[in-house]
Amino acid sequence: DAKTTQPPSMDCAEGRAANLPCNHSTISGNEYVYWYRQIHSQGPQYIIHGLKNNETNEMASLIITEDRKSSTLILPHATLRDTAVYYCIATHNAGNNRKLIWGLGTSLAVNP
Amino acid sequence: DSGVTQTPKHLITATGQRVTLRCSPRSGDLSVYWYQQSLDQGLQFLIQYYNGEERAKGNILERFSAQQFPDLHSELNLSSLELGDSALYFCASSIFDRPDTQYFGPGTRLTVL
Repeated sequence: DAKTTQPPSMDCAEGRAANLPCNHSTISGNEYVYWYRQIHSQGPQYIIHGLKNNETNEMASLIITEDRKSSTLILPHATLRDTAVYYCIATHNAGNNRKLIWGLGTSLAVNP
Repeated sequence: DSGVTQTPKHLITATGQRVTLRCSPRSGDLSVYWYQQSLDQGLQFLIQYYNGEERAKGNILERFSAQQFPDLHSELNLSSLELGDSALYFCASSIFDRPDTQYFGPGTRLTVL
């Protein structure tokens, strides 16, 4: 699986959009980008994933660059409950939960 | 609430002891995964079971073992505990072996004194 690089920490004001970047310059053509988050020592929670196209669900939007070397997770209106560690993981879509490489992620602090 | 339950929530024990962590997967999920998260470290995959059979092993120590029972709940046994085993232990379940279908439990915080 491709290595990903994320900033260790970010701040965001409540109500504003939080844009969390992720670099995955060695991603292969059939690897997806997955995002999880972990709220203070709770179990990680799946957020969204994508291959090439931008994706949106009820939690967030995922923007993937055309060359697929980087992506951005967008929380459109961050709330205090979005304070968490966000993990960006590049992996193949099937049969690989055990191979996920969990780095240290980005610690997002949403401030009032 | 992910639907995955883990007990106990907290466990404090002494070096050399043995403990058992328990996990009940989401209804319908056949795969169970165990992970260890030490302080300021990423999740480390330990072991996976599928429908009662061991499917894959990760960085699991020989002092650790696991099993999945016919009702699909799983137990992780940690023996001869050392200080370095202090960590959060997460169980996850999945209907397909795919990251978007993986749901994590709330974890068990193990403290070895």
